[in-house]
Amino acid sequence: EPEVTQTPSHQVTQMGQEVILRCVPISNHLYFYWYRQILGQKVEFLVSFYNNEISEKSEIFDDQFSVERPDGSNFTLKIRSTKLEDSAMYFCASSEARIGVTEAFFGQGTRLTVV
Amino acid sequence: SQQGEEDPQALSIQEGENATMNCSYKTSINNLQWYRQNSGRGLVHLILIRSNEREKHSGRLRVTLDTSKKSSSLLITASRAADTASYFCATLEGGYQKVTFGTGTKLQVIP
Repeated sequence: EPEVTQTPSHQVTQMGQEVILRCVPISNHLYFYWYRQILGQKVEFLVSFYNNEISEKSEIFDDQFSVERPDGSNFTLKIRSTKLEDSAMYFCASSEARIGVTEAFFGQGTRLTVV
Repeated sequence: SQQGEEDPQALSIQEGENATMNCSYKTSINNLQWYRQNSGRGLVHLILIRSNEREKHSGRLRVTLDTSKKSSSLLITASRAADTASYFCATLEGGYQKVTFGTGTKLQVIP
């Protein structure tokens, strides 16, 4: 069964460093998303991406964040100058059509710990 | 208040019993989905119900949607220990290409 894969599963980084979280969406999917979940809190939308550009982003997704689809298969989230409060589980998702119209498939997440 | 709030926040039942979780939301929606998350793991899509549907079934799952009350319920029948997880409702708001998750119900099924 096709699945969304995320690497690494756990990333520890020093405050102020840059991190790149990687995702391989399901191959025929067209919409890609990043969500995050701070421990014990709800899952929060960060950004959606379609046709090689951001289609929507939340207030959380400020200039510190960027997304890229560098090679047609990977979908990355870059966090510049990480802060302690960026520690969270980050989920990538993809869907064949618009999310909510068809189901979105989520990866297992990358747990980011900023120390 | 937030879009998508589930209640109860936590639920503990015996194996074999039914579990009911409720979700309330604020704005008009195109559809509502339920997801499951095992501790520290990813989100698994369970079921989607469109705004023009009132009830939907999938195996042991039954979802209802009442758009006049802006609420939904998820019923898991004949629960199993493997159903232990957090359950989230998620709404797609009209005109927006994002899904907003609720706060979740943590379900524990005791064998």
